[in-house]
Amino acid sequence: GAVVSQHPSRVICKSGTSVKIECRSLDFQATTMFWYRQFPKKSLMLMATSNEGSKATYEQGVEKDKFLINHASLTLSTLTVTSAHPEDSSFYICSARAVAGGGGFYEQYFGPGTRLTVT
Amino acid sequence: GEDVEQSLFLSVREGDSSVINCTYTDSSSTYLYWYKQEPGAGLQLLTYIFSNMDMKQDQRLTVLLNKKDKHLSLRIADTQTGDSAIYFCAGARGSQGNLIFGKGTKLSVKP
Repeated sequence: GAVVSQHPSRVICKSGTSVKIECRSLDFQATTMFWYRQFPKKSLMLMATSNEGSKATYEQGVEKDKFLINHASLTLSTLTVTSAHPEDSSFYICSARAVAGGGGFYEQYFGPGTRLTVT
Repeated sequence: GEDVEQSLFLSVREGDSSVINCTYTDSSSTYLYWYKQEPGAGLQLLTYIFSNMDMKQDQRLTVLLNKKDKHLSLRIADTQTGDSAIYFCAGARGSQGNLIFGKGTKLSVKP
């Protein structure tokens, strides 16, 4: 099946620094990638949707200047958390989709997630 | 209320059947999905059902859909300890098909 990797799997950084998380589709071309944030005991919160070669579409309430998303190629999207603060500590998950399926079928393949801890 | 709602916890004994329930408000999703998340990992698509179907069975998994009541359920037969995980139901919204997830049901299987 389709594989999506994320790197790093876990990162600890100091408050005020920036952190970049990579999401790669390993065996397919991802025209659309999604970034989610997951809080303990809560659902996945969609942060933004990115299409290759165009600007990301951010969900309401997500600061685009803080969470920079770049979808530079069909196999790579990056999320940069700029000037990270402790409240940004969370589990970040990316997903990728090859093409919108016929008849409204949208299968997304998820990465294993990145645990960010800001101290 | 939330777009997709699920109970947060379910505990069963090994060998029993598990039934995880989900209700949703937006009926425009052509497909409805069940995802499984193991600890510290991403989500894995378990199964899905086309909105015009009432039931879909795939080995130990049975999905039931009641469109009138906007109710979706996932039944796992002969539940094993390896089935312990968080299960999310999801629908797709909008032209890009963004998945809208419930909060997830944590299934604990006791030996």
